[in-house]
Amino acid sequence: DTGVSQDPRHKITKRGQNVTFRCDPISEHNRLYWYRQTLGQGPEFLTYFQNEAQLEKSRLLSDRFSAERPKGSFSTLEIQRTEQGDSAMYLCASSFSPQGATNEKLFFGSGTQLSVL
Amino acid sequence: GENVEQHPSTLSVQEGDSAVIKCTYSDSASNYFPWYKQELGKRPQLIIDIRSNVGEKKDQRIAVTLNKTAKHFSLHITETQPEDSAVYFCAPFRGYNKLIFGAGTRLAVHP
Repeated sequence: DTGVSQDPRHKITKRGQNVTFRCDPISEHNRLYWYRQTLGQGPEFLTYFQNEAQLEKSRLLSDRFSAERPKGSFSTLEIQRTEQGDSAMYLCASSFSPQGATNEKLFFGSGTQLSVL
Repeated sequence: GENVEQHPSTLSVQEGDSAVIKCTYSDSASNYFPWYKQELGKRPQLIIDIRSNVGEKKDQRIAVTLNKTAKHFSLHITETQPEDSAVYFCAPFRGYNKLIFGAGTRLAVHP
């Protein structure tokens, strides 16, 4: 499968625990995005990377959330001290943008469904 | 920031009818206008997009029209089929390198 893959597909955790999700983008894609989606809503932007650099974080993202993309390939999203309000689908997406150009066509993974009890 | 609204929020049609979903945006500098389809339990997928230098684009049964003056663009689906049932999202883009999605329109096509 050469698409965007996310792991795990489902995560159930207790309030206060830390969780980490992984995203593997399409191999030649240099941009990687994290979105969060709750039931009945559109995907909400969290953060994005170009190669290994994190270029933007949503103001909605609390300091309990951190994302990395250390080698410009896969990315991890960690949520510390989870709260029930963190329950959502966490979507990763990637795109390829040549230098000096912007490619807005995103390819999404299947997401990680987080349930905080 | 960009304010994106979709109408209607739900749409129910009979198989074979046409469906139209409208997306209104606030940022006049937006220059790229995609539509994504998300079936139940699946990932969003790009189905059609248009850039600001054209007014309409068609791909088989789906089309997108753009009115930059009025700041809205619309998704048109003709001869709807049950497999068109999904949630559709617009995501107008102005080059800040992230898409801002609307809240979605749930389309139900009844046989």
